[in-house]
Amino acid sequence: SQKIEQNSEALNIQEGKTATLTCNYTNYSPAYLQWYRQDPGRGPVFLLLIRENEKEKRKERLKVTFDTTLKQSLFHITASQPADSATYLCAFSGGYQKVTFGTGTKLQVIP
Amino acid sequence: DVKVTQSSRYLVKRTGEKVFLECVQDMDHENMFWYRQDPGLGLRLIYFSYDVKMKEKGDIPEGYSVSREKKERFSLILESASTNQTSMYLCASSRESGTGGYEQYFGPGTRLTVT
Repeated sequence: SQKIEQNSEALNIQEGKTATLTCNYTNYSPAYLQWYRQDPGRGPVFLLLIRENEKEKRKERLKVTFDTTLKQSLFHITASQPADSATYLCAFSGGYQKVTFGTGTKLQVIP
Repeated sequence: DVKVTQSSRYLVKRTGEKVFLECVQDMDHENMFWYRQDPGLGLRLIYFSYDVKMKEKGDIPEGYSVSREKKERFSLILESASTNQTSMYLCASSRESGTGGYEQYFGPGTRLTVT
């Protein structure tokens, strides 16, 4: 069955640097990859969606790439700020309603 | 902005009780979902609904049932609560993003403790 994997270890980076989070999947390429942000004790918040035939998507300081050869999506936050500290979830879907989530990577931006 | 609300932020119930968790969305979304989230296991889908009175089992439906009598409301029912159902429960609704994918919008979550 399709699996989605994120690095379970927390990522600590210095303020102002670019944070890069990785999402890997097995088997077939999903039609869509999504990224969400989750703060402690709260529900996830949708950030970006990228389609299988798109290489890159940007929104303000956020950038997502989708490499179907490597079966990987990278999520970048440029000029990171302490307010960016949160857990980031990767998710995929096949173009229908159901979405499968990864377990998330916790990002800590150090002032 | 889409708003998804859940009936309680925190809930404590006893083993064997029947528990109702309610979720309401205000954006006329067709699809609604119930997940539970546990440390190290991530978000796991319990049930979802793509229309009124329609429901589909997710990955972990055992011990749960759902009801969707109105488009905006999706209820999760624990028929007989057990301690292993202690978890964070998250409701979500979704719409087609305009490019074919479905963005999900989540409620604030209900932290359920079963003693």
